Amino acid sequence: ILNVEQSPQSLHVQEGDSTNFTCSFPSSNFYALHWYRWETAKSPEALFVMTLNGDEKKKGRISATLNTKEGYSYLYIKGSQPEDSATYLCAYNTDKLIFGTGTRLQVFP
Amino acid sequence: ETGVTQTPRHLVMGMTNKKSLKCEQHLGHNAMYWYKQSAKKPLELMFVYSLEERVENNSVPSRFSPECPNSSHLFLHLHTLQPEDSALYLCASSQDGWGRGDTEAFFGQGTRLTVV
Repeated sequence: ILNVEQSPQSLHVQEGDSTNFTCSFPSSNFYALHWYRWETAKSPEALFVMTLNGDEKKKGRISATLNTKEGYSYLYIKGSQPEDSATYLCAYNTDKLIFGTGTRLQVFP
Repeated sequence: ETGVTQTPRHLVMGMTNKKSLKCEQHLGHNAMYWYKQSAKKPLELMFVYSLEERVENNSVPSRFSPECPNSSHLFLHLHTLQPEDSALYLCASSQDGWGRGDTEAFFGQGTRLTVV
């Protein structure tokens, strides 16, 4: 059974705080690691797709790192804003896309 | 807007009804997927179509029947469902299948299904 674990399950932070979440995945048969952002009543949208060990990607205040040897990825948000409130999903591509349960982030003004 | 449209957004059906969920993408993608999300569970892959051929059926009960008439449309036909089938059903597409490592998924907004 291929499990993708995300932690924490939920997070409440104050506007301006920086935060990070973890995604753990099996280190075998790795094709790519995806991060998606899912706002309430909207579609999940891709943030990053990372394929190489040591990859670091950045989009504005959000960045992600990848360690395929030990099977983890971190997502960082710098200076959180209320509009960052969403569920952040990671997914492990092993010739099928297997999702974690997500980290639900709420940012309070 | 992700370019993937699902209808209806909400559906309530009885256990003896037959209904269909529709998904449409005009992104020129070659692969389409059905996912199910139940409360507090991760997104579960149900079916994969690549170039209109079903390449994956993830042990889904036969009361769910997918159809892909062309590369832009995907249907999920539902019949004699159970209350535990109530969930959010998401359609997604990608340029290529997951064997191509760097491809990303584009999701619809989902159909919230309630079986009564």
